[in-house]
Amino acid sequence: DAGVTQSPTHLIKTRGQQVTLRCSPISGHKSVSWYQQVLGQGPQFIFQYYEKEERGRGNFPDRFSARQFPNYSSELNVNALLLGDSALYLCASSSPSGSTDTQYFGPGTRLTVL
Amino acid sequence: GESVGLHLPTLSVQEGDNSIINCAYSNSASDYFIWYKQESGKGPQFIIDIRSNMDKRQGQRVTVLLNKTVKHLSLQIAATQPGDSAVYFCAENGGDYKLSFGAGTTVTVRA
Repeated sequence: DAGVTQSPTHLIKTRGQQVTLRCSPISGHKSVSWYQQVLGQGPQFIFQYYEKEERGRGNFPDRFSARQFPNYSSELNVNALLLGDSALYLCASSSPSGSTDTQYFGPGTRLTVL
Repeated sequence: GESVGLHLPTLSVQEGDNSIINCAYSNSASDYFIWYKQESGKGPQFIIDIRSNMDKRQGQRVTVLLNKTVKHLSLQIAATQPGDSAVYFCAENGGDYKLSFGAGTTVTVRA
């Protein structure tokens, strides 16, 4: 079975631009979470979506937004990119519907902001 | 703020020996803990989890121990192999849908 998939694998943008990252969860999983991992640190929670509704939000500015589609895939959007947004963006999916379900991660999208 | 942290950033272990990776957490409300393994260029891979109503859980070559009294979590890897070289993260879930990660421990296996 396919795990969590993310696209693109790598992305290079310049400051001020906007970026959209995509995620497809494990088949049967209805919840998707997004994390930012800066080099040398653990992942930091950005959002969690379930049934197209936001269930949780981390301490990130409003430049970060996300949405979930009827097929449970998700997009993460970041506007007005800053150099500090350079990181590995991870998507995780989990089986519904509790708050402590195991989250399984995709390979990530490496974003570089120049 | 409350956070999850690992005691040591690096661990070097001889192939075939047992490895012990430690983690301290501070959120007493956390009721679910997970260990992940992350290899270079990849996303975190689920290893084993434990809920707060348990003290110990075993998997294939791995054991997780939870001491709620001192808020301590450990991962034991038996007969460490070269393929075990990676960064290991403990993560906690306080019931609010998000996982909180520590900074990670880099495990290097010596041949």
